[in-house]
This record gives sequence, C-alpha cells and structure tokens, in this order.
Amino acid sequence: AQSVSQHNHHVILSEAASLELGCNYSYGGTVNLFWYVQYPGQHLQLLLKYFSGDPLVKGIKGFEAEFIKSKFSFNLRKPSVQWSDTAEYFCAVKDPGGYQKVTFGTGTKLQVIP
Amino acid sequence: DTGVSQDPRHKITKRGQNVTFRCDPISEHNRLYWYRQTLGQGPEFLTYFQNEAQLEKSRLLSDRFSAERPKGSFSTLEIQRTEQGDSAMYLCASSLPYDTKDNEQFFGPGTRLTVL
Repeated sequence: AQSVSQHNHHVILSEAASLELGCNYSYGGTVNLFWYVQYPGQHLQLLLKYFSGDPLVKGIKGFEAEFIKSKFSFNLRKPSVQWSDTAEYFCAVKDPGGYQKVTFGTGTKLQVIP
Repeated sequence: DTGVSQDPRHKITKRGQNVTFRCDPISEHNRLYWYRQTLGQGPEFLTYFQNEAQLEKSRLLSDRFSAERPKGSFSTLEIQRTEQGDSAMYLCASSLPYDTKDNEQFFGPGTRLTVL
C-alpha cells in the first residue's frame, strides 16, 4: 500500500525565514503528488500538485515543490515565510492506475512568529 | 457559498448509537469522496463515488459503515453501533470527473464526531 512520510511534525520559524518541508512516498511508479494546506479554522485546500512534466511545481502564495523521482520525494519550499503562512501542511499521493484514493501524510504544523 | 457543505458540523453521541452525516458537493462535481481524520493524523480515504456508483472502498470502511449517493448528488455516511474509536473528523470532498492536472478535490468543513 502507498504511504507518505512527513519528517517534521511541528516547525517554528520567524517571518522572512526560508521554509522546506520534507515529504517522501513509497510507490516507485507514476504518481500524482499534492500539497494541501489547512489554515486555522478553515477547510483543507490545495496548495500545489504534480501530475507530469516539469518537476518543479509552483503553487499559490509563493510556494513551490520539487519532485525528485530517484529520491521518492516531493519537498515543499517557500523562500520567505509570512505570519499568514501559519497552518498545517499535508503531503499526499494519489494511487496510480486510475484509482481515486489519495493517501495523506500525517501533516506538519507550521508556526510563523512575527 | 458554493463550496462543499457538510451537516452537521458537530455530533456527540453515546456508544452504540447510529449516526448519519450528509455531504452536499459542488453542484457540477460528479465525484464525491469521504475521508476520516483523527487527531494528529492526515485524512484517511474511506470511499469514493462517481455519480451514484460507489467505485472504491477502503478496508477502513468496516461493516458498520455505509455510504450512499442515491441520486448522484448529495451523499450520506452512516455509522451503526458507534464505538469510541469512531471519534474523528469526517471529511467530504468533491471533484470533476476528469483525471487531468487541472482537476482537484475540494474539501468541505467536516463533521466532528465524538462518541462518549
């Protein structure tokens, strides 16, 4: 079964610091990868996704992620975080072969200190 | 609000009781998904519908759980004989029926279930 590992459970950064959240998945074939964000009191929403093509994916609010197939990784980055980026971030992978099941990681809580 | 809606938002029940949750997807979305999220975990896939057909079910969906989408619009998730381990946030999501990079799952606010 597919699994997703997020290495950091809780990250605390000061504003303007750079962010990198790690994500590794287990399946080695063709995958669709996602990062979701949940701001305090709000619904889960999609930050960015990788389906194919350029392994460097740009999402909303200045976030980007790089798909490295050889490392089974899809790390999320932002060069300069803001207080409004305080949220929980989930990495997810969609099962291959036309299935719709999406497997999520356990999440990383990011706290940005002004 | 034209997003995914879920009702109720909170439900407290006693062990052994049955509960039913409702999800209304975005109107043009043919696909509907149910997930469960427990404290400190990410959402876990439960089941997926395309229109009224239930096409995928997780092994997490025990015999006490049943989901329906009778007319291909709203969906219900019923849990019979609730157990304390069923306490979780139940999330619904919907999407268009295309497997392209432009498609995404839109999540609702969830129903938080507490089983006493």
